[in-house]
Amino acid sequence: ETGVTQTPRHLVMGMTNKKSLKCEQHLGHNAMYWYKQSAKKPLELMFVYSLEERVENNSVPSRFSPECPNSSHLFLHLHTLQPEDSALYLCASSQDMGGDYEQYFGPGTRLTVT
Amino acid sequence: GEDVEQSLFLSVREGDSSVINCTYTDSSSTYLYWYKQEPGAGLQLLTYIFSNMDMKQDQRLTVLLNKKDKHLSLRIADTQTGDSAIYFCAESFGGYNKLIFGAGTRLAVHP
Repeated sequence: ETGVTQTPRHLVMGMTNKKSLKCEQHLGHNAMYWYKQSAKKPLELMFVYSLEERVENNSVPSRFSPECPNSSHLFLHLHTLQPEDSALYLCASSQDMGGDYEQYFGPGTRLTVT
Repeated sequence: GEDVEQSLFLSVREGDSSVINCTYTDSSSTYLYWYKQEPGAGLQLLTYIFSNMDMKQDQRLTVLLNKKDKHLSLRIADTQTGDSAIYFCAESFGGYNKLIFGAGTRLAVHP
């Protein structure tokens, strides 16, 4: 596979469930990102990892817990979510941090919280 | 705080030019970007412009930057049906490439 892949592509979960979103990049990049795209708000940056260290936690509730075990994989662990957390969650990666490094996006996971 | 604004919808006839506009608030942005999102897909970087440039052209795409007015535009020449998508303007903020996105402009191309 090439580029940035995300699994699952669709997820429906109850408010008491625990689930995880997975992102994998095959580009040899050092930085990875989680974004939330909801219907009524612009795309929002949630987390940034560089060389497996978190460098940004953009005021995200603790019910979202990221994990970056290595530079190729990024997870978003979800627990006790709310219906307003339903959104498209996009993962991205870039060679390094800095504005001149293009971010490559995955196709996203469409999450529905019931 | 940072803010990026775009009009939400644009409809054009096939073969015409499309112009998508964007305004931003952070004058310290180094790079400004245009992304395209097709249905069911992630974001694809179309082009970007460095803040000390006024214009950048790449095949059918022309980006104009008015830094004084904090206005960015994307012109698509000879618009095709395959250009139908949502176009996001974004500015780069901070040393770790934090992107602030606009809400996106939905471009509809009709025959």
